[in-house]
Amino acid sequence: DADVTQTPRNRITKTGKRIMLECSQTKGHDRMYWYRQDPGLGLRLIYYSFDVKDINKGEISDGYSVSRQAQAKFSLSLESAIPNQTALYFCATSDSRVVNTEAFFGQGTRLTVV
Amino acid sequence: AQSVTQLDSQVPVFEEAPVELRCNYSSSVSVYLFWYVQYPNQGLQLLLKYLSGSTLVESINGFEAEFNKSQTSFHLRKPSVHISDTAEYFCAVSPSGYSTLTFGKGTMLLVSP
Repeated sequence: DADVTQTPRNRITKTGKRIMLECSQTKGHDRMYWYRQDPGLGLRLIYYSFDVKDINKGEISDGYSVSRQAQAKFSLSLESAIPNQTALYFCATSDSRVVNTEAFFGQGTRLTVV
Repeated sequence: AQSVTQLDSQVPVFEEAPVELRCNYSSSVSVYLFWYVQYPNQGLQLLLKYLSGSTLVESINGFEAEFNKSQTSFHLRKPSVHISDTAEYFCAVSPSGYSTLTFGKGTMLLVSP
């Protein structure tokens, strides 16, 4: 089983709809992240959370919100989806107890907004 | 703030040939450096990282990268590539002691027979 699980893996939604992408992890890590990948642009940080009570905006947070429901769960919401939010979304985790340990990524959610 | 430049969006190469994927970074503070690999339809996996110490770091599958502070570079090399190395490679930096990553735009390595 994957250590970082994202659901759904693929989603097509209409402009203006609210959508939630979910991420859960079994690694016991305290830090969680949401990144967005666009072709030719690499990955960009949307939001990150260093523990359950901590939420921080990343480089491109406009149009998104997040919720850290538990240490193991971090969800990303698009309140009113628009076509330019069509992208591949990745959740990642890391462990603050290990100095600059690597980030562990989920398999990604491919979101298409029509 | 940090930024990462990957100079090549695509690198085509024949099997068993050497390859270098270039990465330059900019930062006003000390950084840690990473190379991640993304195989088709998969998430990202760490390939190697530089935190401190020896400037040459190696991965288990034959890749190596050298941290050059004066040139602010962290180029990735492999002396002989395989078809299975076909993937997209991302260079990333994080400020020392912090954990958010700034990625480059990626380099697609295309290995052909």
